Amino acid sequence: KQEVTQIPAALSVPEGENLVLNCSFTDSAIYNLQWFRQDPGKGLTSLLLIQSSQREQTSGRLNASLDKSSGRSTLYIAASQPGDSATYLCAGLSGSARQLTFGSGTQLTVLP
Amino acid sequence: DGGITQSPKYLFRKEGQNVTLSCEQNLNHDAMYWYRQDPGQGLRLIYYSQIVNDFQKGDIAEGYSVSREKKESFPLTVTSAQKNPTAFYLCASSIGSFALNEQFFGPGTRLTVL
Repeated sequence: KQEVTQIPAALSVPEGENLVLNCSFTDSAIYNLQWFRQDPGKGLTSLLLIQSSQREQTSGRLNASLDKSSGRSTLYIAASQPGDSATYLCAGLSGSARQLTFGSGTQLTVLP
Repeated sequence: DGGITQSPKYLFRKEGQNVTLSCEQNLNHDAMYWYRQDPGQGLRLIYYSQIVNDFQKGDIAEGYSVSREKKESFPLTVTSAQKNPTAFYLCASSIGSFALNEQFFGPGTRLTVL
């Protein structure tokens, strides 16, 4: 059964810093991996989707990578801003489960 | 504007009552999903539907029921059989099957049992 882990659970950085959020998964037979942002009390906003055949995806200041062999995905945020403060969740779709398995998220705070 | 709407935003229920959470989408998506989120945890799948008049149980379907009579609508009923229903409920949709497509989420309904 696919398990998805996000460490650390919380992270604080000063504004302007580049940062990396980590996501690890146990089942390398993964179809895709999706990164989401969640603001307090709100739904999830899709940020990036990486298919298993891809190694990375980019959108603006965000870059997500996928390494199936090591069971890891990273979300890189360049030049962080206070508006980036939110919880970031990753979710993987594996063939065995045929459903998304979510990590518990990393709560990011960008300090002005 | 295309999107997913959920209502109500907040819902209070007395023990022993059934309640129904609404989810509507105008994205013309085939697949719809219901998730539950508890504090500090990831989302867990309750039910999903890949086509009208068909739905499948997720990991935590006990105490919940759904229907999919229209493509646009996927209501979730939380029954009195659900032992710990207080949670944040999220509805999502995608163009097709799980494998290839992004899931898009609604704003959520926070259910509190009094």
